[in-house]
Amino acid sequence: GNSVTQMEGPVTLSEEAFLTINCTYTATGYPSLFWYVQYPGEGLQLLLKATKADDKGSNKGFEATYRKETTSFHLEKGSVQVSDSAVYFCALWEYGNKLVFGAGTILRVKS
Amino acid sequence: EPEVTQTPSHQVTQMGQEVILRCVPISNHLYFYWYRQILGQKVEFLVSFYNNEISEKSEIFDDQFSVERPDGSNFTLKIRSTKLEDSAMYFCATQSTSGRGMGPYEQYFGPGTRLTVT
Repeated sequence: GNSVTQMEGPVTLSEEAFLTINCTYTATGYPSLFWYVQYPGEGLQLLLKATKADDKGSNKGFEATYRKETTSFHLEKGSVQVSDSAVYFCALWEYGNKLVFGAGTILRVKS
Repeated sequence: EPEVTQTPSHQVTQMGQEVILRCVPISNHLYFYWYRQILGQKVEFLVSFYNNEISEKSEIFDDQFSVERPDGSNFTLKIRSTKLEDSAMYFCATQSTSGRGMGPYEQYFGPGTRLTVT
């Protein structure tokens, strides 16, 4: 079946550092891909998405590009802030109305 | 901004007891979901619900689980006889339209209910 693998955390960075969180997927066809973020005490929020190969999703300074050839959707941000500390989930949309998630990566940003 | 709410935030129960987890969806949303995350593991799909019936369910969603929308607002997940391995964070999600065809559409998640079975 379809699956998503993301890098294990926690990832600890200093403020203004560059962030990469790796995500790869296994799927039949070309599913839509997502990054969700969960801030402490809150629900999962959609951060960005890409619906086809070579699409770049972006939001709040975060970016991810749908790479069909490497089946990847890595999340990047050029300069992280303390307020970016959260859990980040990579996910794919499986036809039939459900999301398939990775395990989540904890990001901690120190001032 | 409209949001999905869930109650309780934390539920502790003894093995074998019944629990009901509650979700209040965003008001004009039509599709409802339950997911769960066992500590340190992936967020897993449990069930989807539309038009007062289950659309799809996973292997996890066995006869011990049920869902309903009893009063047209709350969307509930019932576990009839809890087991230790049911301990997890349970997320409700809602969506305004179908993800089939032109989809997908955004799923809005609640903050989760942490269920601890002792």
